Parts: sequence; structure tokens; C-alpha cells
Amino acid sequence: DAKTTQPPSMDCAEGRAANLPCNHSTISGNEYVYWYRQIHSQGPQYIIHGLKNNETNEMASLIITEDRKSSTLILPHATLRDTAVYYCIVRVAQGSGYALNFGKGTSLLVTP
Amino acid sequence: DTAVSQTPKYLVTQMGNDKSIKCEQNLGHDTMYWYKQDSKKFLKIMFSYNNKELIINETVPNRFSPKSPDKAHLNLHINSLELGDSAVYFCASSLTSGNEQFFGPGTRLTVL
Repeated sequence: DAKTTQPPSMDCAEGRAANLPCNHSTISGNEYVYWYRQIHSQGPQYIIHGLKNNETNEMASLIITEDRKSSTLILPHATLRDTAVYYCIVRVAQGSGYALNFGKGTSLLVTP
Repeated sequence: DTAVSQTPKYLVTQMGNDKSIKCEQNLGHDTMYWYKQDSKKFLKIMFSYNNKELIINETVPNRFSPKSPDKAHLNLHINSLELGDSAVYFCASSLTSGNEQFFGPGTRLTVL
């Protein structure tokens, strides 16, 4: 399995960009990077995913380094509602399908 | 019109009992999953079904038996409940295996 490493916690001021790093140095060439978040006690919520190219959607941007060994999730204008645990996950083939193996994630606190 | 729903939301029961958790998705997805989130907040995949066929079966006790009567439903039956089964169980679905997953609100199981 490709493992990911994230800082356990980060702070961000409301209205500023939140940049959440992730290392996945053992990722294979065809494995995607997914980001999810979990707001206290709720089910995880999909944010974005990518393979090689940078990606952007209405929630966030994903920057993947050229060697694919790390990535950064960017929340361009963080709000208090973005306070959550953010998980960087490498999707791996498992059984006859694909699995998401959640790690410890980064606990992001957005402050007023 | 909840996308992925689970019942019950809370379940408190005695050791040794048998209980079921139900999950339904109205997204028209082919793949469904069960995850367990323990007290340390680690989220681990347990099972995945694609079109009613089991495709991921992690190392869980055989007291846990998933049942998929149709592709919109994936139920989890647990026999002879133990204290260590206390956790939050999340159901999820995706268009096909590997696509982004949509999670339900979770079922908090407490075994006394």
C-alpha cells in the first residue's frame, strides 16, 4: 500500500488560504490521490482527486508535484465551516475493487 | 431526499446480542461499502459490494455478515456482539468501485 504522511494539526485564519500538505513517496504510477474531510462526527465528504495534473473544483485545488511524491490541498478562502479533519488518501486496488485506506489525517482549525 | 441513509443512527445493546444496521442509497450507484471508525478515529474499510457481488472483504470477524438484497441496499448484520464492536459504522456508495464515495451519517453502536 502507498502510505501517506500528513501533519497532525494546522491552524488557519478565516478568509486566508489553507494549504494542507501530504507526502506519498511510495505512490505507484497509476494510483490516484484523493482528499476527503470529516466534520465532527459526520460522514467523510469527498473533496477532490487527481493523478498527475493539478485539479480544481468548487471546493478546493489540488497541486501534485511532478514526481508525484507529494501533494497540497488548497482551500482558497477558509471559513469556520472548513474546520474538520482532512484525509489525504492513495486509492489502491484491493480485492476485486478499489479501497480508500484512511490514515490519521490533519485536523484543521479555522479561527476567526 | 438523503443520498445515503443509515438506520438506526444510534444503537445501544448488550454483549452477546445480534443486531443489524441498514443502509440505502438513492444515487443509482453500483458500489457500496461498510467502514468502521473506532474510538481512536481510524476509519477502516470492512466490505464492498458491486452490483450485489462482494468485491472487498477485509479481515473482520465472521460475526460480521453483509447482505446486499439489491444494489441500492447494503445491510450489516453482527452476531454475538462484543465490547470491541463499539464504534461508528459508516456506509458509503460510489458510481463504480474507485469513484468518489458518498458517505452516510453513520451509526453509533455501543455494546454494554
